[in-house]
Amino acid sequence: GAVVSQHPSWVICKSGTSVKIECRSLDFQATTMFWYRQFPKQSLMLMATSNEGSKATYEQGVEKDKFLINHASLTLSTLTVTSAHPEDSSFYICSAKGGSGNTEAFFGQGTRLTVV
Amino acid sequence: GENVEQHPSTLSVQEGDSAVIKCTYSDSASNYFPWYKQELGKRPQLIIDIRSNVGEKKDQRIAVTLNKTAKHFSLHITETQPEDSAVYFCAASMVSFQKLVFGTGTRLLVSP
Repeated sequence: GAVVSQHPSWVICKSGTSVKIECRSLDFQATTMFWYRQFPKQSLMLMATSNEGSKATYEQGVEKDKFLINHASLTLSTLTVTSAHPEDSSFYICSAKGGSGNTEAFFGQGTRLTVV
Repeated sequence: GENVEQHPSTLSVQEGDSAVIKCTYSDSASNYFPWYKQELGKRPQLIIDIRSNVGEKKDQRIAVTLNKTAKHFSLHITETQPEDSAVYFCAASMVSFQKLVFGTGTRLLVSP
């Protein structure tokens, strides 16, 4: 299957700082990327959908000014958690899909964010 | 929007037994239903998927069935092995819309 690489795998940051997480499709062009958040022992909650070259579509309840998403190329999307607080600590996972006929979504390895 | 419910939340079986996990969805427009296996701290891995034009699909010890009328689909694992222990998530999406809505997950424990 296709490879999606997410970086960093884990990060610890201080309250009030910003953290950027990268999601790269290594061997295919990802027209659409998705960002999920997963709390311990819970399901994956979709935060936003990003399409290359356009603004991300955020799910209800997700603060777009706090979780900045940029999808500047067909192989890279970034999620920036701005002014992080301890409650933002979570496991963040991206997934990427190819063209419209490709149904399978490929997941990155996830980023464990801890805000202290 | 779409809502996916999943049962049971935990499932313990003996090695060699079968395991069944069930999901229901709310949006009749959904037509793509994947199942993912996630080990602790790892990324979800697609194990099998089914489209709405098919009622059943099988891949070795894993099978998925879909009842469009009732809007539910199930994962069946036969001859379970300890390495099948993980959290399993079902999901639903409309292919054209692409985003996946996940179920709440089932923690499967297979005891030797």
